[in-house]
Amino acid sequence: GNSVTQMEGPVTLSEEAFLTINCTYTATGYPSLFWYVQYPGEGLQLLLKATKADDKGSNKGFEATYRKETTSFHLEKGSVQVSDSAVYFCARASGGSYIPTFGRGTSLIVHP
Amino acid sequence: DTAVSQTPKYLVTQMGNDKSIKCEQNLGHDTMYWYKQDSKKFLKIMFSYNNKELIINETVPNRFSPKSPDKAHLNLHINSLELGDSAVYFCASSRGLAVNTGELFFGEGSRLTVL
Repeated sequence: GNSVTQMEGPVTLSEEAFLTINCTYTATGYPSLFWYVQYPGEGLQLLLKATKADDKGSNKGFEATYRKETTSFHLEKGSVQVSDSAVYFCARASGGSYIPTFGRGTSLIVHP
Repeated sequence: DTAVSQTPKYLVTQMGNDKSIKCEQNLGHDTMYWYKQDSKKFLKIMFSYNNKELIINETVPNRFSPKSPDKAHLNLHINSLELGDSAVYFCASSRGLAVNTGELFFGEGSRLTVL
């Protein structure tokens, strides 16, 4: 079936450190790929997306590149801030309904 | 104006009770969803409605019954609540199946605690 696998958290970093959160997906159906972010006490919101191979999504200093050869969509940021502390969800969508399937979420904790 | 709003935000109740969570979106979207998020943050789709019609009904106990009186509202009614129903329930919406980009707009969640 369609699934998304994310690295387990929590990921704990100091401010200004480099961030990578790994995500791999099942390749059926030429999916679009997404990263959503959930800040404490809030609902999820779309962070970035990519719709085809080699596309790079970017927003707020975060980037992720759609890698078909490795079926990956890893999230990266060069210098994290305390305000980036949140839970990050990788997701895929394909097929007629295009309804996203979410990974398990990775908690990021950034210390000053 | 909140785009997707859910009420109540917190709900504490006893086992065996019946409760409802309401959701409204003012984005003009055609498709609405209910997701359940467990204590480990795992997010699983429960139901989806498109223009008031049920299109997705995952393996959810029939104690859970969604109702969509119009395309801007999708309510969730739960009968005979059990301890395992404790979770955060998220409502979401999207533009519509024919033009769906995969972007969902989420409410802030309703935290249900069953004692």
